[in-house]
Amino acid sequence: AQSVAQPEDQVNVAEGNPLTVKCTYSVSGNPYLFWYVQYPNRGLQFLLKYITGDNLVKGSYGFEAEFNKSQTSFHLKKPSALVSDSALYFCAVRDSLSGAGSYQLTFGKGTKLSVIP
Amino acid sequence: SAVISQKPSRDICQRGTSLTIQCQVDSQVTMMFWYRQQPGQSLTLIATANQGSEATYESGFVIDKFPISRPNLTFSTLTVSNMSPEDSSIYLCSVRTGAEGAEAFFGQGTRLTVV
Repeated sequence: AQSVAQPEDQVNVAEGNPLTVKCTYSVSGNPYLFWYVQYPNRGLQFLLKYITGDNLVKGSYGFEAEFNKSQTSFHLKKPSALVSDSALYFCAVRDSLSGAGSYQLTFGKGTKLSVIP
Repeated sequence: SAVISQKPSRDICQRGTSLTIQCQVDSQVTMMFWYRQQPGQSLTLIATANQGSEATYESGFVIDKFPISRPNLTFSTLTVSNMSPEDSSIYLCSVRTGAEGAEAFFGQGTRLTVV
C-alpha cells in the first residue's frame, strides 16, 4: 500500500522569507512524487515531480523540492515567498510497481500556505 | 500539457435529482479519471473512465450512484445520481498519458451543492 503524509494543516510565512511545505511518503517500490497547488475555486495545478535522477527538482513559479530517500520525504521549498503563493498545496505519490497502466495516485490531505505581507 | 474544460463549474441541486458533469480535453489522452474533494478534505479517486467500456470504480463507489461514460479519447461524463446533501463536493476530472511517471492534469472542478 502507498501513503503520503503532510504533517502540517497550515503554514504561515512572511513575504520574502523562505518557505517549506513538508511531505513524507510510503511505497513498496520506488516512488513517483508530485506537488500540486490549488487556488480558491480552481482545480489542481501541477508544480513539479520526481521520477528519478537528481534529488533536487525545480518546478513552476520558483518552487523546488528535494527528494530524500532515507527520510522518505519530498518537501516543497521556495527561497522567497510571495503573497500570491498563498494557496492549498497537495503532495501525491504513486508506487513505481503499480505499472504505467495503473493510476493509484494517493494524495496527502493538503497544507494551506498563507504568506503574510 | 492538456487543457481540460469541465462543465458546469458549479451547481445547486435538489436532493433526489441527478447531475451530469462533462469533461472535454483538447487532445487525445490515454487515461481519464474522476475525483471527489469533499469540503476541507483531500482528493479521493472515484473511478477510471475507460474508453468504450465500463469504468473501473474504487472501493466505496458504485456505478449506480456514479455512472461514467467515455465515448472517445477526449470526452467523459460523470453523473451523480439520486443526490443527497452528503454528495456536496467538488468533482474533478483528471487526465494523463500512459507514459511511466507522467503527471496528471486537472480540470477546474465542479462545485456541487445539494439542498
